[in-house]
Amino acid sequence: GAVVSQHPSWVICKSGTSVKIECRSLDFQATTMFWYRQFPKQSLMLMATSNEGSKATYEQGVEKDKFLINHASLTLSTLTVTSAHPEDSSFYICSATSPLAKEPNEQFFGPGTRLTVL
Amino acid sequence: SQQGEEDPQALSIQEGENATMNCSYKTSINNLQWYRQNSGRGLVHLILIRSNEREKHSGRLRVTLDTSKKSSSLLITASRAADTASYFCATVETNAGKSTFGDGTTLTVKP
Repeated sequence: GAVVSQHPSWVICKSGTSVKIECRSLDFQATTMFWYRQFPKQSLMLMATSNEGSKATYEQGVEKDKFLINHASLTLSTLTVTSAHPEDSSFYICSATSPLAKEPNEQFFGPGTRLTVL
Repeated sequence: SQQGEEDPQALSIQEGENATMNCSYKTSINNLQWYRQNSGRGLVHLILIRSNEREKHSGRLRVTLDTSKKSSSLLITASRAADTASYFCATVETNAGKSTFGDGTTLTVKP
């Protein structure tokens, strides 16, 4: 149980285009989802916290108009990178919390999406 | 500096040896988790230790937590080449749901 999927697993796009990444909880309802970004050889940095039906909370330094997050249902959150540029190339990972988790605040991670902006 | 700093940044050992990685953090936490990440892949959850626990075992993994020093260690015993990966600690702060990741330790186990 507690499986999180991401789609696509990788994407290559041209500079200036927008890219949408989906994060789904497959077998549970996720009230909260998190989006992380990881640059090569670096750690995961939290970008935003997404709660179903409400606006996402962005971490300091993350542009909310550039990284649009929509959490329209209890099983789906999307991250849209608008007007992507090469410096946005990164590994984007989502995670979700489940009310059925054994531990409070335990997060279940998706496999990640590698974005390459040419 | 960020919550969750790990040392060493890189560790190279021979198969069969033990590997120890350390993680320090700054704030009060609910729990601390260790993850593994193979190059270019997603995270694999290894073990979670609660703030009221001092030690936890899972197979060849042993995790300790010292809340007075705000530090944790991950020990991998009898390492294998397949253990080669990056290892991250992540803390969940008290009264906050989000996780903060350490910088990670890159472990190389030579066959």
